[in-house]
Amino acid sequence: QVQLVQSGPEVKKPGASVKVSCKVSGNTVTSYGISWVRRAPGQGLEWMGWISAYNGNTDSAQKLQGRVTMTTDTSTSTVYMELRSLRSDDTAVYYCARVTYYESSGYYSDWGQGTLVTVSS
Amino acid sequence: SYELTQPPSVSVSPGQTASITCSGDKLGGKYTSWYRQRPGQSPVLVIYADNKRPSGIPERFSGSNSGNTATLTISGTQAVDEAEYHCQAWDSSTAVTFGGGTKLTVL
Repeated sequence: QVQLVQSGPEVKKPGASVKVSCKVSGNTVTSYGISWVRRAPGQGLEWMGWISAYNGNTDSAQKLQGRVTMTTDTSTSTVYMELRSLRSDDTAVYYCARVTYYESSGYYSDWGQGTLVTVSS
Repeated sequence: SYELTQPPSVSVSPGQTASITCSGDKLGGKYTSWYRQRPGQSPVLVIYADNKRPSGIPERFSGSNSGNTATLTISGTQAVDEAEYHCQAWDSSTAVTFGGGTKLTVL
């Protein structure tokens, strides 16, 4: 059974950065792709980006490119998501989710518990 | 960018069948997954690859996908099924789209 445990809630001022962690247990993190998904108040789920914990390849949603960085520390089986130049509309619950594949099509079989990031002056 | 459209809300009486739709251009050519999210909780996978149930998901959950519409069907809906449901389509690991979510109310 794979578990994803995320870091705690954060309160940040506009313009600051936040770094959220996601520790993977139950198997080696290098076996996985991990996506980051967020949900702002009153909104649906929004895909933010993806990292291959195997080789570190990443990609992110076009609207976030230049502000988001995803990294992995294989020694601690932890994946990180850093979001910079925070704005009020970045206030959301941020989730990490493990990618599982069916015939080369992916879905999210395991999710972290979520991290609330509040951006407020 | 690709878009998926869901109705904001669906209501159903206990024991009846609930159907939640997800529409997108040529969606039938992609695999669709569905997630249940209760307030304050993380999403939980209930259907993947259009119509497959993960272990632990009751048989009353089923899915279909054809043309431009995928449908999540809950037969014999129970009060515990009240939640928000999100559809998701996959083009690649870097091209993932979620629908806006549908709030299911069991009256």
